[in-house]
This record gives sequence, C-alpha cells and structure tokens, in this order.
Amino acid sequence: GEDVEQSLFLSVREGDSSVINCTYTDSSSTYLYWYKQEPGAGLQLLTYIFSNMDMKQDQRLTVLLNKKDKHLSLRIADTQTGDSAIYFCAESKGNNAGNMLTFGGGTRLMVKP
Amino acid sequence: GAVVSQHPSRVICKSGTSVKIECRSLDFQATTMFWYRQFPKKSLMLMATSNEGSKATYEQGVEKDKFLINHASLTLSTLTVTSAHPEDSSFYICSAYGGQRYGYTFGSGTRLTVV
Repeated sequence: GEDVEQSLFLSVREGDSSVINCTYTDSSSTYLYWYKQEPGAGLQLLTYIFSNMDMKQDQRLTVLLNKKDKHLSLRIADTQTGDSAIYFCAESKGNNAGNMLTFGGGTRLMVKP
Repeated sequence: GAVVSQHPSRVICKSGTSVKIECRSLDFQATTMFWYRQFPKKSLMLMATSNEGSKATYEQGVEKDKFLINHASLTLSTLTVTSAHPEDSSFYICSAYGGQRYGYTFGSGTRLTVV
C-alpha cells in the first residue's frame, strides 16, 4: 500500500479555513513537506517541518505534526479562490535530507466563492 | 530563492522519435536530481535519482534504456525518452536537491504528448 496517504478531495467556501490531512507510515521520516500544484504546473514548496517539531506557522499556513500517530495536517486560514489547487504532502526518509521524497496522492482543494 | 528551469514545458512528438528534457538549477548546485512522472490525476512517481558524475539509480519498473538520464554537471540533468510511444505521454517533473540551504526545488514540468 501507499506509504503516504491523503484524502482525495476537499471543498470549502471562500474565507473559511481548510484543513488537509496526511498520514505516513515510516517512523524514520525526518522531513515532511507540503507542496502546491496548480494545473499544468510544477510543484511549489509551501512549507516543511522537521520531525522534532509539533507545529509550524507561516502567515496563513499552519502545519501540525503528530509524530506518535504519524499524522500531518496543513491548515489554510481565510482560504481564497487562488488557493484552489492540488496539495501534496511528502516525506523524506532517514536522516539524509537528500533522500528521495515519497509523495501522497494529493488532495484537490476547491474553494467556492 | 532557488530556481530550477525545466525545458521544454510542452512537446509533441511522433512515435519512434526521441525527446530530451532539460533540468537546470539556476542559482545553486544540485548534488542530486530526481525525475518524476505524473499520470493524470495521480501523484508523482519517482523514476530515477541521479548524482552528478555517476549513473542514475532507477526505480523498479522503469526501463533505463528507454529513459536515459545524464547528470553531467552540478547544475544540469537531462532525461531523454528514447523511441517514444503514446503510452509515454505524461507530465515529467524534475527536482533538484541543493543541500540544507536550498532543499528540494521542482521544475515547472514538461508535458509530453506522443502521437
């Protein structure tokens, strides 16, 4: 099965908060990332968190990490229509940040005006 | 910030021909580059990992003779799809790792259509 799992779809109204969830299986993951992909484009790094952190906030984005449950979430406050995209979580295994990334299947966020 | 330039962004080619995709790190040196393939509405699938000056490491199921990867310098990696067929049509994305300072930076992707 997948090493990293995400729900496929999330729909919210403009101005509401969005929470995108991700679970992973490898306890040795040390870096966890959130990427945004707009149609036909490459991936844009939104934020990342080290495994020894519980939370990281960057403007409208808040990342929560529950290492015990291997659960990662991305909260987008005051969601805008421009936030509509596919969001991928990814993990880097082991202690070497140069290791390959393993991606979740992506969550399509749709923001309704 | 770190920028990775990937070209071409879109290419249409005939069956049997070869296509080369370039991935270039513009303002940092990439010790490792990764090539991914993305099928419609699917996640990224790692194809291969390449380190400068050495042979690429291919993931299981990826034909190394079909997908030739060259990482001749710390700023340039190329993926050549040889004897392309319609089933090779996909979105290909490269990623360059620039150490702890730059992390992973992705190219903008190449949409390949083989007709």
